[in-house]
Amino acid sequence: NAGVTQTPKFQVLKTGQSMTLQCAQDMNHNSMYWYRQDPGMGLRLIYYSASEGTTDKGEVPNGYNVSRLNKREFSLRLESAAPSQTSVYFCASSELRQFRSNQPQHFGDGTRLSIL
Amino acid sequence: KQEVTQIPAALSVPEGENLVLNCSFTDSAIYNLQWFRQDPGKGLTSLLLIQSSQREQTSGRLNASLDKSSGRSTLYIAASQPGDSATYLCAAVEYGNKLVFGAGTILRVKS
Repeated sequence: NAGVTQTPKFQVLKTGQSMTLQCAQDMNHNSMYWYRQDPGMGLRLIYYSASEGTTDKGEVPNGYNVSRLNKREFSLRLESAAPSQTSVYFCASSELRQFRSNQPQHFGDGTRLSIL
Repeated sequence: KQEVTQIPAALSVPEGENLVLNCSFTDSAIYNLQWFRQDPGKGLTSLLLIQSSQREQTSGRLNASLDKSSGRSTLYIAASQPGDSATYLCAAVEYGNKLVFGAGTILRVKS
């Protein structure tokens, strides 16, 4: 029972390089989320997808793009990486019910990304 | 804009003590309040989710309370153990199940 799987677990990039972080969930959840976690701070929402075929910006979307490939997969792309994007990235999923949001989110183990 | 604050930032206690972690939020129009545990280098594990219509939730030695009107939640850990050492995060759950996190409380339980 894998839950939420993120790949890769670690990555080092040079400034200006591009990269896609992958996330897949096997719980048949309809909503998926990308967060970043920086030292001394809580997680901040980058983008989310309430259902297959929809995506919306979160608190810190600049410099990122996302794709909800299907119900299971939600990818995060850095088109031109910058040192400020050095962070730990977490993907999460949950079952989102219309007019209610009472289901807990399940998180992956994170991708540790360093940009030199 | 919702802001979530956790106090204290770090806490060190001897094994066996009961302890309370505090979480406050600025906008009371939340759907739920969720508490997580994060071990070093790991992802987040959901501990308790309190729905807005509830005042508390319990799981084993953990008890979380929610007071929406005052914008506060507490996580009570009874009879702490070294295995409880971790970072504890609270998150206000907004429409669309979007989470706004506090910075966390780093807990160390000494044996």
